[in-house]
Amino acid sequence: GESVGLHLPTLSVQEGDNSIINCAYSNSASDYFIWYKQESGKGPQFIIDIRSNMDKRQGQRVTVLLNKTVKHLSLQIAATQPGDSAVYFCAEKFSSGNQFYFGTGTSLTVIP
Amino acid sequence: DAGVIQSPRHEVTEMGQEVTLRCKPISGHNSLFWYRQTMMRGLELLIYFNNNVPIDDSGMPEDRFSAKMPNASFSTLKIQPSEPRDSAVYFCASTQQGALTQPQHFGDGTRLSIL
Repeated sequence: GESVGLHLPTLSVQEGDNSIINCAYSNSASDYFIWYKQESGKGPQFIIDIRSNMDKRQGQRVTVLLNKTVKHLSLQIAATQPGDSAVYFCAEKFSSGNQFYFGTGTSLTVIP
Repeated sequence: DAGVIQSPRHEVTEMGQEVTLRCKPISGHNSLFWYRQTMMRGLELLIYFNNNVPIDDSGMPEDRFSAKMPNASFSTLKIQPSEPRDSAVYFCASTQQGALTQPQHFGDGTRLSIL
């Protein structure tokens, strides 16, 4: 029979355009959030993080927005490049404990 | 700086065999995590250690899986006996416990295939 796997959300963007990847997190008590990028054959790579006492943080070409009211996290990538093609994961850490909980990921494809 | 180092990168073995995956965390990190990634389930936490002590092993699938951390610079994940459904990519990650804003840093994983 046919196996059923995770259905990864996908996003395709033209090179040079901006990308927005969204994530809904589960725990209103989470106090720290991270975005990871995973390229084929590699482990998740840290991109940017944000604490729960902030609603926006900027890095190089990336911005993370946190909306605690609706438990929503987004990653904005400016001027998307082919090298940005990867699967992007959000992760949340509960205020108690040391564990991170990962979302299912979004696959980003950049069209040259 | 060296990141998290995992070995082997690839392992192919027959079912029933013992498999040992190895991890060297980043120097100075005192928390270590083992994850499994599959298409079916995504990224799952198996077990994590703080200061070489296992804290939460509730994600370990069954008794065939065991993990040890004999010292701060080395951990193993063992599967005995292995089964085809154990085929996955296994990641190790490390971080500094107690620091609120410390992300986990991942190795490049071991791709395990059980025939």
